[in-house]
Amino acid sequence: SQKIEQNSEALNIQEGKTATLTCNYTNYSPAYLQWYRQDPGRGPVFLLLIRENEKEKRKERLKVTFDTTLKQSLFHITASQPADSATYLCALGGAGSYQLTFGKGTKLSVIP
Amino acid sequence: DVKVTQSSRYLVKRTGEKVFLECVQDMDHENMFWYRQDPGLGLRLIYFSYDVKMKEKGDIPEGYSVSREKKERFSLILESASTNQTSMYLCASSFAGVRGNTGELFFGEGSRLTVL
Repeated sequence: SQKIEQNSEALNIQEGKTATLTCNYTNYSPAYLQWYRQDPGRGPVFLLLIRENEKEKRKERLKVTFDTTLKQSLFHITASQPADSATYLCALGGAGSYQLTFGKGTKLSVIP
Repeated sequence: DVKVTQSSRYLVKRTGEKVFLECVQDMDHENMFWYRQDPGLGLRLIYFSYDVKMKEKGDIPEGYSVSREKKERFSLILESASTNQTSMYLCASSFAGVRGNTGELFFGEGSRLTVL
């Protein structure tokens, strides 16, 4: 069965450093991958989408990579700030599919 | 801005009660979804709809039904609530996206349901 793993449940990082979150998957050939941010008690908010034929996407301090050979996506936040503290979710979608399958998320804490 | 509005933020119901969770989106999105989110289990898809009166089962449809009579509204129904349905319920919507893929999801704020 399909499996999505986000590297750790929690990640602590010092302010100003680059945070790197990992999303690995097995038994799946996604056509695209999305990353979301979720604050406590709120719904997730979309951040970035990357397609299978794209290696890298950037948006301001965010960068996402997608390696279909390694079956892995990396999500980077450069110059991290305490306001970046949240849970980050990856989600995978198949070609022509309406469904997204979510990972369980990584809770990032940026320490001042 | 896209807005997805869920009718109730917090509900407390008793076992066996019928529960309606309403969701309305204002961006003319084709797709609408209902997820539940539980600690340690993440977001799991219950049902989704890609058009009016159309519905598809997600990963955990048992104990739930849905209704989509209008494009902007998608309702989740618990016919007979049970304690294991205590959870955070999240509604989302999206455009159909490129090549039929789902575009970015816009989520509501969630409805926290407690079944006693």
